[in-house]
Amino acid sequence: GDSVTQMEGPVTLSEEAFLTINCTYTATGYPSLFWYVQYPGEGLQLLLKATKADDKGSNKGFEATYRKETTSFHLEKGSVQVSDSAVYFCALSPNAGNNRKLIWGLGTSLAVNP
Amino acid sequence: EAGVVQSPRYKIIEKKQPVAFWCNPISGHNTLYWYLQNLGQGPELLIRYENEEAVDDSQLPKDRFSAERLKGVDSTLKIQPAELGDSAVYLCASSPRLAGTGELFFGEGSRLTVL
Repeated sequence: GDSVTQMEGPVTLSEEAFLTINCTYTATGYPSLFWYVQYPGEGLQLLLKATKADDKGSNKGFEATYRKETTSFHLEKGSVQVSDSAVYFCALSPNAGNNRKLIWGLGTSLAVNP
Repeated sequence: EAGVVQSPRYKIIEKKQPVAFWCNPISGHNTLYWYLQNLGQGPELLIRYENEEAVDDSQLPKDRFSAERLKGVDSTLKIQPAELGDSAVYLCASSPRLAGTGELFFGEGSRLTVL
């Protein structure tokens, strides 16, 4: 079945460091891919998305490119801030069938130190 | 625009007691979801509504969990009786599109502790 695998955390970085959080997926067909973020004490929020191969989603300085050849959707940011400290979830939505249940990764906790 | 509203934010009960969570989705959103999130895990879908119809409740433990979405707006999730293993955060989300395209709007969650 469909699945999402993301790198285990926690990830600890200093402010202004480069961030990569790896996400790979297994799916039939052509799923849509998402990154959600959960800041401390808050609900999950959609960070960015990509709906087809080679699409790049971007928001708040974060980027992720839908790579079908490597079945990956890695999250990157060139210079992290303390305010980026959160848990990041990779997810996919199958584009086949009527029951488009979101498939979630386990989440990667990021802590950014000043 | 108001977001998804959930209550209560926190609930502590003893095992075998009942508990209920309430969710008010974003106005105009037809699709409503209840998820369960354990510490260090991703969300797990319990039930999805399209308007007032439960279209996916395959993961809902129906022996103790029930949900309703009367009039296709707000929703209630109930657990009776609660067990120790039910301690988790219960998330409500809504989406403006039918069949769920992955763009969900979440509430802040209701954290349940069962003693």
